[in-house]
Parts: sequence; structure tokens; C-alpha cells
Amino acid sequence: GEDVEQSLFLSVREGDSSVINCTYTDSSSTYLYWYKQEPGAGLQLLTYIFSNMDMKQDQRLTVLLNKKDKHLSLRIADTQTGDSAIYFCAENYNQGGKLIFGQGTELSVKP
Amino acid sequence: DGGITQSPKYLFRKEGQNVTLSCEQNLNHDAMYWYRQDPGQGLRLIYYSQIVNDFQKGDIAEGYSVSREKKESFPLTVTSAQKNPTAFYLCASSIYWGTGRSSNQPQHFGDGTRLSIL
Repeated sequence: GEDVEQSLFLSVREGDSSVINCTYTDSSSTYLYWYKQEPGAGLQLLTYIFSNMDMKQDQRLTVLLNKKDKHLSLRIADTQTGDSAIYFCAENYNQGGKLIFGQGTELSVKP
Repeated sequence: DGGITQSPKYLFRKEGQNVTLSCEQNLNHDAMYWYRQDPGQGLRLIYYSQIVNDFQKGDIAEGYSVSREKKESFPLTVTSAQKNPTAFYLCASSIYWGTGRSSNQPQHFGDGTRLSIL
């Protein structure tokens, strides 16, 4: 069945770049999403990429998509302490509207 | 401001009791969703609704019920049949849910309700 995998933890120093990785299994996914969750809060949509794109950049965020390997990454440049949160990757399952989420990667930014 | 409002923020359930979580949106979105989040896990879909008066089961619907009498509202009832209800519940909505590219509009989330057992 469909599945999305992420590593659980990532720790970086303030000012460094962070790269959060995700693999997915449904090759028919047309959109892939990155969400951010701060403690006790809902999910905030950060960015998304259409499957016919390889890269999308939005200010400090860069999304790379390798469709052949079904690998998605989110790079955060100049990581700040306010970026500490859990980051979820999600793919849209090919029955319209339904999203499959990874387990989330907890990003810890140390000063 | 447009958004999704979930209430209450915290909720406690006694044994054998049904409780209802509220979700209201003023984004004029067609589709609404309920997810359950457990520590260290991703979100799992409980129920979703494409249009008023219609809804479908997600992956973990047992012990839950929903209604969609108005476009703006999608309440979730956690029934006494749900034996492990302690979790963080998230409601989401999106624009038109259907076939083609329009089915892939991003989902926007509320701030969640944390449900615990007394």
C-alpha cells in the first residue's frame, strides 16, 4: 500500500542549512507537500511541489523532487531557532484529496 | 480573518461517554477532514467529507462518527466504542475535492483538540 517515510530527528546549529528527507511509494502522486507543526499547534502548510517539477524555491525553503527514486527533500537555509518544529511530508493519494503523511521529522536548532 | 476553528482546545472524556469535537471553517472550502495524531506518528485519516450531507470513512473510522449538515461545519463524535481515544485531533479543509488537478488543492488545518480520558 501507500507509505511515506521520514527520519524522526534532525539536529542542526543556528545558521546552518537543514535538509529533511522523505521517501514515498505512490508513483501516481501528483502533488507532494511539506507541513510544519509547532508544539501543541495544528499543521501549517509550508510549500508544495507538483510532480512534473524537480525543484521549487520559496525564500529560505528549497524543495527537491527525484521522481525516479520517489525521494523528496526540504532544505531550510540559514536555519533559525524559530524553525524548531516537526516537519511532515505528505503525498496526495490517487483517490482525490486524501493525503498520506510521514511520521514527521523533529528539527532541533541549537544556538 | 478566514480560517479553521476547532473547539474546545482541551477535552476530557469519562468512561462510557460520547464527546463531540467542533470544527468550523469560513474559507468557503468544499472538503473537510478529521485526522488523529498520536505521539511520534503521522496523521491518520478518520473521516472526510466532499460535500454537504455526504462523508466517507478514512483509515481509522471505527469508534467515531461525523455529520456534515452545513458546508462550514464538520463535527466529530468520539463514541464510547473508541477504546483508546486519547490523542490530538486535527480538522482540515480544502477547496473543491474531485477528479483532476483540482482534487489536489492543499489542506489547511485548525489548531487541534487534545482529548484525554478521565
